[in-house]
Amino acid sequence: TQLLEQSPQFLSIQEGENLTVYCNSSSVFSSLQWYRQEPGEGPVLLVTVVTGGEVKKLKRLTFQFGDARKDSSLHITAAQPGDTGLYLCAGGTSYGKLTFGQGTILTVHP
Amino acid sequence: NAGVTQTPKFQVLKTGQSMTLQCAQDMNHNSMYWYRQDPGMGLRLIYYSASEGTTDKGEVPNGYNVSRLNKREFSLRLESAAPSQTSVYFCASRDLLGQKKSNQPQHFGDGTRLSIL
Repeated sequence: TQLLEQSPQFLSIQEGENLTVYCNSSSVFSSLQWYRQEPGEGPVLLVTVVTGGEVKKLKRLTFQFGDARKDSSLHITAAQPGDTGLYLCAGGTSYGKLTFGQGTILTVHP
Repeated sequence: NAGVTQTPKFQVLKTGQSMTLQCAQDMNHNSMYWYRQDPGMGLRLIYYSASEGTTDKGEVPNGYNVSRLNKREFSLRLESAAPSQTSVYFCASRDLLGQKKSNQPQHFGDGTRLSIL
């Protein structure tokens, strides 16, 4: 069974601060996706990274896939209250299945 | 544009009762998935259907059954509900055809919140 360890589980910060969420595994994944989930809704895809060492930027969010395709990080610059939510990393396996990390609950205080 | 629709949104059951959670997608996706989400445990795969006519166990299949009724619909059944099955259940679909298979997102419904007393 492939496992993804996501950290930290909880993050409470002030508006304007920077933060990084980590996603680590001992297994290699074909791709790594990051999702964001709002209360009462299903997760929504933010980004997919597929190449070792790949870096993708989405406005103030920077996603990186490790060289060995075993780990990934999400960095948010100058966090805003609208960034509050549950962030999930997910590693791609066979038949389109995803292995999810435990999630990081981010709260950004005004 | 409905995407993935789950019914019901909320349900309370007594231990031992049975029920079926319904899921339908209108995106013509070939693969569908059922997850449960519990605090601190992310999303865990219960069953999946890689294509119409096939179903396979995921990480936590015990106590559940599924039916891929057609390409659009994938149902999850609890035959004899137990308190340990109290959770939020999500259905998802994904398009695995085409060149960029690994880039395709899973599209999720808004979940069914199930409580078993």
